[in-house]
Amino acid sequence: AQSVTQPDARVTVSEGASLQLRCKYSYFGTPYLFWYVQYPRQGLQLLLKYYPGDPVVQGVNGFEAEFSKSNSSFHLRKASVHWSDWAVYFCAVDSNNRIFFGDGTQLVVKP
Amino acid sequence: DPKIIQKPKYLVAVTGSEKILICEQYLGHNAMYWYRQSAKKPLEFMFSYSYQKLMDNQTASSRFQPQSSKKNHLDLQITALKPDDSATYFCASSQRGWQDTQYFGPGTRLLVL
Repeated sequence: AQSVTQPDARVTVSEGASLQLRCKYSYFGTPYLFWYVQYPRQGLQLLLKYYPGDPVVQGVNGFEAEFSKSNSSFHLRKASVHWSDWAVYFCAVDSNNRIFFGDGTQLVVKP
Repeated sequence: DPKIIQKPKYLVAVTGSEKILICEQYLGHNAMYWYRQSAKKPLEFMFSYSYQKLMDNQTASSRFQPQSSKKNHLDLQITALKPDDSATYFCASSQRGWQDTQYFGPGTRLLVL
């Protein structure tokens, strides 16, 4: 069955450090993949989306993600984290007109 | 100005009662959705509507009924409320369907006592 797994419930990084949030997907074929961010007490906002094509996708606020079919992964990266990036990040896959979300990864930014 | 309005922001209800969660979008979108997020589960898709017609329903219980009186409205009626219904309910919309970017509202936090 199609799904996404975010193996890290919580990731802590220092401000200015680089970031990688992991996402593994399970899907037959080539999926449509998304990363969303949820700031405290707010709804979700789309960071970026992958449609079949260039495996590296650029998003907002300096985020990017790389699709890997061989690894079934869609990891999110940022070169330099800012304190305002403190939020929960959700990986999601589009399958048969439904979106399945992962459990989310809480990003904590240390000063 | 907020483009997706959800009312109320917070809602407290007693077990067995009925509540309606309001969602209005001013993005000119044709597809609308409801999701639920609780402490125990990640974001769960509930319903999708396109051009005011139900496209998909992943909610097992008939106690949850979406209502679309206008193209830009998709309310959620919940009857016979239970404590397990306590969650944040998010409304979302997209231009046409799933493969278009979905925009989420701020959510309604429901607490059932």
